[in-house]
Amino acid sequence: DIQMTQSPSSLSASVGDRVTITCRASQSINNYLNWYQQKPGKAPNLLIYTASSLQSGVPSRFSGSGSGTDFTLTISSLQPEDFATYYCQQSYSTPQTFGQGTKVEIK
Amino acid sequence: EVQLVESGGDMVQRGGSLRLSCAASGFAFSSYSMTWVRQAPGKGLEWVSYISSGGTTRYYTDSVKGRFTISRDNAKNSLYLQINSLRDEDTAVYYCARKNYGDYVGPLDYWGQGTLVTASS
Repeated sequence: DIQMTQSPSSLSASVGDRVTITCRASQSINNYLNWYQQKPGKAPNLLIYTASSLQSGVPSRFSGSGSGTDFTLTISSLQPEDFATYYCQQSYSTPQTFGQGTKVEIK
Repeated sequence: EVQLVESGGDMVQRGGSLRLSCAASGFAFSSYSMTWVRQAPGKGLEWVSYISSGGTTRYYTDSVKGRFTISRDNAKNSLYLQINSLRDEDTAVYYCARKNYGDYVGPLDYWGQGTLVTASS
């Protein structure tokens, strides 16, 4: 199985901050890397697919980059509604594993 | 509007069985692959199973192989997950989700609200 490792596991940030979350795959997954946002008690919401494509309706302050094994999710200017948990997921091979999540909290 | 609505979650004794359903609407269900993902209380997301649009290809995570069966009825716009030999570690919210942008390698672009399965003693 491909292991997905996110860092950090949690972070504290202020509104307006630039936030970066990294995701590393245990082997190459080409660019089949997706990012999701989940708020408490809600289903996940797709933000970025194939490493850098912005899902329709997602604000442009979210961006993704990377290929191979190393990927990044960036929030250019953190907004109050962005405080949530973020997950990466590889869709390259079965099982299509998720990272352990990164919780973004208010500083 | 795309909608996925799960049902069938319940508290069931260890070793018992139940069937989860996911009713789809607002899109051509028969054209999309589907996936089940679960989330144990307070934990992260875990990919469980995949089924192709026509139902001919199915994949499972190792921990559920031989116990879970994914299926679909395209005439009824419905996805199912049959859970047998329920274990404590199966306790979770189960989400159905639609795959898009490239079928098997695509992301999960729509999710249901989830249904809670609890294994009890």
